[in-house]
Amino acid sequence: QVQLVQSGAEVKKPGASVMVSCRPSGYSFAGYYMHWVRQAPGQGLEWMGWINPKGGTKSAQNFQGRVTMTRDTSTSTVYMELSRLTSDDSALYYCAGERLLKTFDIWGQGTMVTVSS
Amino acid sequence: QSALTQPPSASGSPGQSVTISCTGTSSDVGGYKYVSWYQQHPGKAPKLMIYEVMKRPSGVPDRFSGSKSGNTASLTVSGLQAEDEAEYYCSSYAGSNNPYVFGTGTKVTVL
Repeated sequence: QVQLVQSGAEVKKPGASVMVSCRPSGYSFAGYYMHWVRQAPGQGLEWMGWINPKGGTKSAQNFQGRVTMTRDTSTSTVYMELSRLTSDDSALYYCAGERLLKTFDIWGQGTMVTVSS
Repeated sequence: QSALTQPPSASGSPGQSVTISCTGTSSDVGGYKYVSWYQQHPGKAPKLMIYEVMKRPSGVPDRFSGSKSGNTASLTVSGLQAEDEAEYYCSSYAGSNNPYVFGTGTKVTVL
């Protein structure tokens, strides 16, 4: 069964950073782009950025300077770190794989990040 | 980058059809063939239903179809079933500067 498995829920204080991981299972994503999408409670989806197979990244303008995406080729795991957290960053964070061109065709289960003092 | 505009809600009785619109600009929906649609049930991750405007991934029923005219894309669900009740989001590629934008989401209710 092909799936993306994400790390568990996190609680962080304002100003801190959070790192979320995403590991493929049942399929090799070595040659594919991986994306990060977030969803605040009761809100819509927001694209955050992608990391390509060579480790190059592109982030949405809203997150430039605050988001860092990396990938560990030895474990096929991708990571997303978001810094300088505020309460507005409390959301579900999803990784999504792009096996179909410019399409998010497989999604992780989501990681809840709560920012609270 | 502004979100694509979708109606907040749509509804239909079992067996009927419902069509959801997704309006953008010539810089996103109107400029590229990379429009996709996602279904999200409460508490679940989104699921790809349509890609490249009108293509269906393996396993998605042919009751789901997509189209595009100008800056507006549409998703039609024919022969509505109870399990189709969900939130639906469109997404479009929007060029290299700010590559992807999602729609505002549409809650589909099966009456």
